[in-house]
Amino acid sequence: QVQLQESGPGLVKPSQTLSLTCKVSGGSISSGSYFWHWIRQPAGKGLEWIGRIHTIGSTDYNPSLESRVTISVDTSKNQFSLKLNSVTAADTAVYYCAREWSSWGQGTLVTVSS
Amino acid sequence: QTVVTQEPSLTVSPGGTVTLTCASSSGAVTSGYYPSWLQQKPGQALRTLIYSATNKHSWTPARFSGSLLGGKAALTLSGVQPEDEADYYCLLYYGGGWVFGGGTQLTVL
Repeated sequence: QVQLQESGPGLVKPSQTLSLTCKVSGGSISSGSYFWHWIRQPAGKGLEWIGRIHTIGSTDYNPSLESRVTISVDTSKNQFSLKLNSVTAADTAVYYCAREWSSWGQGTLVTVSS
Repeated sequence: QTVVTQEPSLTVSPGGTVTLTCASSSGAVTSGYYPSWLQQKPGQALRTLIYSATNKHSWTPARFSGSLLGGKAALTLSGVQPEDEADYYCLLYYGGGWVFGGGTQLTVL
């Protein structure tokens, strides 16, 4: 089973860009036909789907976030990434990456604050 | 915006049976929504128990089962164990995007 690990800054200033990476180990991100997802969870609240990218590079995004989100894949580094721009305090959450729908990362807390 | 609805909380006795449901504001949930069920426990990674309505992963305990029931997706736990106390989320596919339910907090008491 592949393993996923999120990484990135734990603190982002308002109006700046949140950037996270999900490193995949135990298998190649480009083998098979899989979707790779980003999900987030504000403290004490439920899960929110952010978006996904297919192995071949096609993407789908949550309509409520689509104008601010970019998900990309780097097969040479066996990882995929999330960029969320113009962040506000409402974007403070634990961010998870996942392979649909089997493997999950442990999650990483991102706080938006000046 | 589509809304996916779950029971906010349920309580079950050890050894008992409980069914969690997942409804869509857009109508009956069918296999085409590829319902999935996730388990979340404090301090642990999220775990997918059921995918595509009824399919289990190798790590899914046999007491968990997924189904489509009365226009909803359902997760049934038979012979509940204390360690099943957790939050459970359903997830539905809407043609290019996914939507989570609000989650069910299951208490084993």
